[in-house]
Amino acid sequence: EIVLTQSPGTLSLSPGETATLSCRASQSVISSYLAWYQHKPGQPPRLLIYGASTRATGIADRFRGSGSGTDFALTISRLEPEDYAVYYCQVFGSSPLYTFGQGTKLEIK
Amino acid sequence: EVQLVESGGGLVQPGGSLRLSCAASGFTFSSFAMTWVRQAPGKGLEWVAYISTGGSDFDYADSVKGRFTISRDNAKNSLFLQMDSLRAEDTALYFCAKHRGDYLNENYYYYMDVWGKGTTVTVSS
Repeated sequence: EIVLTQSPGTLSLSPGETATLSCRASQSVISSYLAWYQHKPGQPPRLLIYGASTRATGIADRFRGSGSGTDFALTISRLEPEDYAVYYCQVFGSSPLYTFGQGTKLEIK
Repeated sequence: EVQLVESGGGLVQPGGSLRLSCAASGFTFSSFAMTWVRQAPGKGLEWVAYISTGGSDFDYADSVKGRFTISRDNAKNSLFLQMDSLRAEDTALYFCAKHRGDYLNENYYYYMDVWGKGTTVTVSS
């Protein structure tokens, strides 16, 4: 079973700053199996990135996914008020079929 | 507009049953595999179940295996989750999500591109 560890647990930044969120896998994963989601209270999770680095339809280019092997990152540039949310990485596997990281909460400083 | 709308949540006693539904619209439902994901209060996202396009292949998280059954009715654009022998730890917001398994540039890509708003299940006496 692949375990995804996200860090930090909470990230406090001001609008305009750059956020870097980390997702570390317990074993090497295929990059095309790695996705990132944004989740706000009362809303459904929103796909941001798939294939580790491909932005989903309608996602601003301020969001950038990177990484390979066991280390992946989501970078959000020029933070805007609507970016404050919880972010999850996710990997497709065999057992279980999908694994999520525990999430990183991005809060306004 | 692509849309998923869950229903069927509610309060149920431990050991009881509940059937969740997910109504799909705006896309060719029968062409996509589907999944259920849940979020317990104050916790993160947890994948629960998967079903293939035709409904013949499915998979479950160990935490629900043997108690939950995923199914679909492609004629009615609907996804279901039959939940039996419910436990307090099944209390969560349950989302249905559209699964994507795309083959592009010699690589397979797997992710969930559309999610519903969820339906709440509370297991308590």
